[in-house]
Amino acid sequence: DQQVKQNSPSLSVQEGRISILNCDYTNSMFDYFLWYKKYPAEGPTFLISISSIKDKNEDGRFTVFLNKSAKHLSLHIVPSQPGDSAVYFCAASATTSEKLVFGKGTKLTVNP
Amino acid sequence: EAQVTQNPRYLITVTGKKLTVTCSQNMNHEYMSWYRQDPGLGLRQIYYSMNVEVTDKGDVPEGYKVSRKEKRNFPLILESPSPNQTSLYFCASSFSGELFFGEGSRLTVL
Repeated sequence: DQQVKQNSPSLSVQEGRISILNCDYTNSMFDYFLWYKKYPAEGPTFLISISSIKDKNEDGRFTVFLNKSAKHLSLHIVPSQPGDSAVYFCAASATTSEKLVFGKGTKLTVNP
Repeated sequence: EAQVTQNPRYLITVTGKKLTVTCSQNMNHEYMSWYRQDPGLGLRQIYYSMNVEVTDKGDVPEGYKVSRKEKRNFPLILESPSPNQTSLYFCASSFSGELFFGEGSRLTVL
């Protein structure tokens, strides 16, 4: 049973436009959510996180939105840049556990 | 520089030949974990360790062993590798829920 789902394997956007990556979760115990970015031949790197006490967190061009009632979060990248082209993983955990559960990832391509 | 170091980065081996992938972190993190990444399956946890001498199975532990004798090291052992263990492996350590990943070890079992 997949607890964290990223239903779009890939997404293509034009440079300068908004990229929206979506993630759904099923476990109501999850209260901490993270996005990781992965370039080929490198390990995933932390991008941004949000705890369940908030519904929005911003860091520069990256904003994560959390809708707890819908068990849905999204990552917005504005404006998108070619260097943002990577695989993005959504991850979730419960404060009672350090274990992160990952989605399958979404490959973002930003076209110049 | 804070980092998680894995070795080897690339390895081609044959079925049944025992191998160890080492992992070391210099951030004094208590939590460490191993993941494998396969096409279409994302990152799946193999084993994790909450502290020295404390290890537990993740989602796909079959065919793997780990040990945690020191805080900084968390080796992944494949006692008898099989072709279905061909994958990209990542070690990670964590502080306060945020995982720091190594650069990955690409393993091919023939």
